[in-house]
Amino acid sequence: QQPVQSPQAVILREGEDAVINCSSSKALYSVHWYRQKHGEAPVFLMILLKGGEQKGHEKISASFNEKKQQSSLYLTASQLSYSGTYFCGRLPNTGNQFYFGTGTSLTVIP
Amino acid sequence: KAGVTQTPRYLIKTRGQQVTLSCSPISGHRSVSWYQQTPGQGLQFLFEYFSETQRNKGNFPGRFSGRQFSNSRSEMNVSTLELGDSALYLCASSADSRTEAFFGQGTRLTVV
Repeated sequence: QQPVQSPQAVILREGEDAVINCSSSKALYSVHWYRQKHGEAPVFLMILLKGGEQKGHEKISASFNEKKQQSSLYLTASQLSYSGTYFCGRLPNTGNQFYFGTGTSLTVIP
Repeated sequence: KAGVTQTPRYLIKTRGQQVTLSCSPISGHRSVSWYQQTPGQGLQFLFEYFSETQRNKGNFPGRFSGRQFSNSRSEMNVSTLELGDSALYLCASSADSRTEAFFGQGTRLTVV
C-alpha cells in the first residue's frame, strides 16, 4: 500500500539537480509531494492529478505517469534550503485513504 | 490565516494509560487526518474525518480512535498505551482529503 521512493538518500552540492522517484503498486488518482525538515512538520509542495493537471512550487516540478503508477520530483539548481526528507503520497481512484511513501532524505551541501 | 494547532506538543505517559490529543484545523477546512510518524515506519495513516464522520481508517488496532466535532476540531485517543506507541502524531487539515494538506507541528508522545 505504501509507495516506494528512490533513492532513499542523496547528497548534492549547491546548484546540482536531483530526481526523486515514487512508485506505487496500486492505481493512482493523484500524487502529492511534501518536504519535511528535521524537527518540523511536512510542508506541501506539489499535487499531480490524474489527467495531467499539476500545481507547482518554485524551482521544483514533477511528472505523473498514470499507466506506470509512478511520479518523479525534479529539483533544479538545488539550494541549501532544499535539504530535508521528501515524501510522496498517493490517493487511490476511490476512497480517501492516503498513503505516504517511504521517504527520501536529501542533503544539499555548499 | 491561522495554521493547524496541535496540543499538547509533548507528552509523557506510562504504559497502560490512555491519552487524548487535540487538533484544531485551519478555519473552513472540514477534513482532518491523523498520522503516526516513527523512524522505522515513516508516516503511517491513522484515520481521516470529514464533517464529523470517519471516512477512512488505517491499519491500526482498535486502541486508536478519534472523533471530530461540529467545528471541525478533532481529537485522537489511544487507550492502554504500549511502548511502541511512542511516536510523533501529526494532524493534517485540508478542504478535502484530495487537496493539499497543511500539517500541525505534531504531538511528541513518549510512553515509558
